[in-house]
Amino acid sequence: GAVVSQHPSWVICKSGTSVKIECRSLDFQATTMFWYRQFPKQSLMLMATSNEGSKATYEQGVEKDKFLINHASLTLSTLTVTSAHPEDSSFYICSASPTPAADTQYFGPGTRLTVL
Amino acid sequence: EDKVVQSPLSLVVHEGDTVTLNCSYEVTNFRSLLWYKQEKKAPTFLFMLTSSGIEKKSGRLSSILDKKELFSILNITATQTGDSAVYLCAVHTSGTYKYIFGTGTRLKVLA
Repeated sequence: GAVVSQHPSWVICKSGTSVKIECRSLDFQATTMFWYRQFPKQSLMLMATSNEGSKATYEQGVEKDKFLINHASLTLSTLTVTSAHPEDSSFYICSASPTPAADTQYFGPGTRLTVL
Repeated sequence: EDKVVQSPLSLVVHEGDTVTLNCSYEVTNFRSLLWYKQEKKAPTFLFMLTSSGIEKKSGRLSSILDKKELFSILNITATQTGDSAVYLCAVHTSGTYKYIFGTGTRLKVLA
């Protein structure tokens, strides 16, 4: 149980285009979803926390207008990287929790974004 | 500012060795501490610790938390090449209910 999928698993795009990444909880309802970014040989950096039906809470230094997060249902959250640039190239990982206070987060497999 | 620090940053050992990985934290509203193993993709869960002094074990891996001194250790005995990975420590905070990850320890086990 507790499976989270992410799509696409990898994407290459041109500079200036927008990319949407989907995160789905397949067998449970996720009130809370987290979006992380990971650069090579570095740890996970929390970008934002989203609760279903509410606006996402962004971490300091993360641009809201650049990284648009939507969590419109209990099984789906999306991250859109708008006007992507090469410095946005990274590994993006989502995780999902049944409730905000749950001490468990289930990770998706991640999406590798390369911006040319 | 909340922070989680792991040491060492990297470690190279031979099969059969025992390793101890460290995680120290300074956070407001501590809720739990979690250990993860990350190979090529997303992290996989190892342990969750909430109480001091109670050891969690799973096979050759074990972990313990000290809430007074604000640290946790992850022990791996009789290491195998399959243990090579990055080990991540994260603290779950109440209030904002977010996870703060440490820097990670990159472990390489040589045959």
